Parts: sequence; C-alpha cells; structure tokens
Amino acid sequence: ILNVEQSPQSLHVQEGDSTNFTCSFPSSNFYALHWYRWETAKSPEALFVMTLNGDEKKKGRISATLNTKEGYSYLYIKGSQPEDSATYLCAFVGDSSYKLIFGSGTRLLVRP
Amino acid sequence: ETGVTQSPTHLIKTRGQQVTLRCSSQSGHNTVSWYQQALGQGPQFIFQYYREEENGRGNFPPRFSGLQFPNYSSELNVNALELDDSALYLCASSLRQTYDYTFGSGTRLTVV
Repeated sequence: ILNVEQSPQSLHVQEGDSTNFTCSFPSSNFYALHWYRWETAKSPEALFVMTLNGDEKKKGRISATLNTKEGYSYLYIKGSQPEDSATYLCAFVGDSSYKLIFGSGTRLLVRP
Repeated sequence: ETGVTQSPTHLIKTRGQQVTLRCSSQSGHNTVSWYQQALGQGPQFIFQYYREEENGRGNFPPRFSGLQFPNYSSELNVNALELDDSALYLCASSLRQTYDYTFGSGTRLTVV
C-alpha cells in the first residue's frame, strides 16, 4: 500500500507570515508529484507537477521543491495573504497508469 | 467548452438505493478518473476510463461501476448504497498519459 503523508494537518498564520508544508511519499517507482490548491466548494487547482529530483518550481509567491531520493516535497508560501486560505493537496504518481495517490492535505487559514 | 462539470452538486440517498453521478470532460481530454473523498481523508482513486473501457481500478468493490461515452463524458454508478459511501466524489479529465488533469468541483453524496 502506497502511503502519502502531509504535515501539518492544519496551519493558522497571520497575514504576511511565510509558511511551508511537507509531503512525504515512497522513494521508489517515482513518476511525478503534483501539488493542488483546493478552496471549499471549488475544483482542485493544479499548482505544480514535478518530475525530476531537485526540481524547483515557482508561481508568484508559491514555490515547491522535490527530493525523490528521500521521498519528500516542500511547498512554500511567502508573505501569506487571506486569499491563500485553502487546502493544499499533494498527489504522488508511482506507475504508468498516471493515477494520483493523494495525501490528506494541509488546511491553511491566513488571518488578516 | 472548458472545464469539467459534475452533476448533481449534492445528493441524498437512502441506504440500499442506487445512484448515478455524471461528469463532463474538458475539451481535448480523452481519459476520466473518479475519486472518493471521505471526511478527513485525501481523495482515493476509484477507477479510470479511456476509450470507453475501464483502465485501472482502486480498492473499491464491484458495486462501484462506471461508463465513458464517445464524447468522453462519464458516469459513476454505485449500487446498494452503504452509509460509508457518504463522501465527496470528484472526477478529473486528462489527456492519456499526461499530467494535465482538470478536476470538477465534486458531487457531495449523503447516504442516510
């Protein structure tokens, strides 16, 4: 059974704080690691797809790093804003079926 | 047409009944995957359809079945509903063997 773990489970920060979350995944049979941002009652929104060890991706104030050898990825948000409040999901792809194996998410709340 | 549309958005059914959930596919996509998100968990892979055939299945019993139509839209059918089937059901369309997933906003199923 493939296990994808995310920590912390939830996070409350003040506007302007920087924050980061962790996604741990199996270090064998790696195909890809996805990050999604999911606001309540909306569709999960793709942030990044990372496929190579050492990948670093950036989108505005959000960035992510990948270490496939040790099986983890970090998502960073610089200068959090209230509109960043959402659940952040990571999803591991471990075979050629391309099916996504999700973690349980990190729920971020940014207070004004 | 862009985006993935799921219907209905909410549904209440009685234990033992049957339910059909529907999902459109984003233009240009030929594969549809279904996921179940129970409370407090990440989405779990149910199955994937490509060219109107099931192309991979997660750990779900046979009473979960699906269809894909020539226009790549899809249905998820669940027979003999159980209380534990209460969850958010997400579908995602993609182009086969790419990482370009587009999710719908889900159908919330409550079984009473």
